[in-house]
Amino acid sequence: DTAVSQTPKYLVTQMGNDKSIKCEQNLGHDTMYWYKQDSKKFLKIMFSYNNKELIINETVPNRFSPKSPDKAHLNLHINSLELGDSAVYFCASSQGQGRYFGAGTRLSVL
Amino acid sequence: GENVEQHPSTLSVQEGDSAVIKCTYSDSASNYFPWYKQELGKGPQLIIDIRSNVGEKKDQRIAVTLNKTAKHFSLHITETQPEDSAVYFCAEGRSQGNLIFGKGTKLSVKP
Repeated sequence: DTAVSQTPKYLVTQMGNDKSIKCEQNLGHDTMYWYKQDSKKFLKIMFSYNNKELIINETVPNRFSPKSPDKAHLNLHINSLELGDSAVYFCASSQGQGRYFGAGTRLSVL
Repeated sequence: GENVEQHPSTLSVQEGDSAVIKCTYSDSASNYFPWYKQELGKGPQLIIDIRSNVGEKKDQRIAVTLNKTAKHFSLHITETQPEDSAVYFCAEGRSQGNLIFGKGTKLSVKP
C-alpha cells in the first residue's frame, strides 16, 4: 500500500480556474504538509497541519487553502490559478522530524 | 541565514567512483540532518539521516558525516552505480519539527 498518495498526478488547466489536489496518508502520522517544487527543483514548504491545526504558513498567497477533513487527509485548494503556480506539488507526512513524501502532482497552468 | 547551503548543484562521476555532496547550516541548535534522494518523476525519499550526538553514520555504500563546530554535514556515496543518478537534498532539522531543505544536487553516474 502506498504510504502517502496524492491525486491527480498531472493537472493541466487554464488561468483563472479553481482546482484541488487531494492527499491521503495511511501511516497514522499526526502532521501533514504541502510543498511546492519549482522548475529549479527548489523545495519550499507551503503548509503543515497538526491535528487539524495550521502550524506553518510560509507567506503563501491566500488563493491557496489547505483543507483537512481528518488526520489522514490534507487537500490543497487553489483559486484563480496563475501562470506562476505551475510547479510540482508534494504532499508529505511525519511523526517527528522525518518526512514521507507522495509522488507529486505536476500542475501546468496555461 | 534562513537557507541550508548545498554544493555542488550538479555532479557527474564515472560508475565506480565516489561522490560527495556538502551542506552548511546556520542554526547551532539544529539537531537532525537527513538526506533525501529524488528520482525522476517521484517524490523525495529519505536515504540516511544523522543526529547531532554522532559524527558519522554508514549504511552500505552511503555515509553521512557531521561537523557541528563548522556546521557542515556531507553525504558520501562510494562505488557509485547508474541507479544512484538522482537529485539529492540535504535538510536541517530545527525546532518544532521545522525542516529546511538545501537546493539540491543533481548527480549523474556515467556507465
